[in-house]
Amino acid sequence: DSGVTQTPKHLITATGQRVTLRCSPRSGDLSVYWYQQSLDQGLQFLIQYYNGEERAKGNILERFSAQQFPDLHSELNLSSLELGDSALYFCASSPFLVNTEAFFGQGTRLTVV
Amino acid sequence: GESVGLHLPTLSVQEGDNSIINCAYSNSASDYFIWYKQESGKGPQFIIDIRSNMDKRQGQRVTVLLNKTVKHLSLQIAATQPGDSAVYFCAENRPGNTPLVFGKGTRLSVIA
Repeated sequence: DSGVTQTPKHLITATGQRVTLRCSPRSGDLSVYWYQQSLDQGLQFLIQYYNGEERAKGNILERFSAQQFPDLHSELNLSSLELGDSALYFCASSPFLVNTEAFFGQGTRLTVV
Repeated sequence: GESVGLHLPTLSVQEGDNSIINCAYSNSASDYFIWYKQESGKGPQFIIDIRSNMDKRQGQRVTVLLNKTVKHLSLQIAATQPGDSAVYFCAENRPGNTPLVFGKGTRLSVIA
């Protein structure tokens, strides 16, 4: 158990809908990262927050947004969902901003139908 | 770009043999590297890390080798066991405020 908790584990929704994925980082970790993993793309970095502030952005679509709350948990919001958004979404946390291992949650499997 | 994993290479190893998984990284200024193991249906799990001021680091049954000259990283697993079957990813920390960039995964299949 990495100490990172993601909910829900599975999510099935229709195209055009909006969903929210939730992540609770390890106790004491200030950095939260979101990654998308699909079969043909590997692990794609989406966005990073550190102590409530956005610190790095990767290949995140404009339909997607995220935030980190004062208690350090984070949410990833996916809207206007398309079939191609079906993937595993992982949250990871680390104590520092850079140069540190990241601990991954079990992921949320999103299926868009 | 940073897309990886278009075609996942597979390594098949007999139980008890040693496994060597390779990874090439792109940025010569990267200073920190990690190997992750991902079992089916689970998130990536930290195995071992190495900083750029080292060439070799050993853990329990695992060794990571770093060759900065050719930008190559390898993970050696001694006495491979069925429980080692998973996809293995290398990740690099590039300079600046950038998160870990994951390399192409390798699927390790252990034959009992």
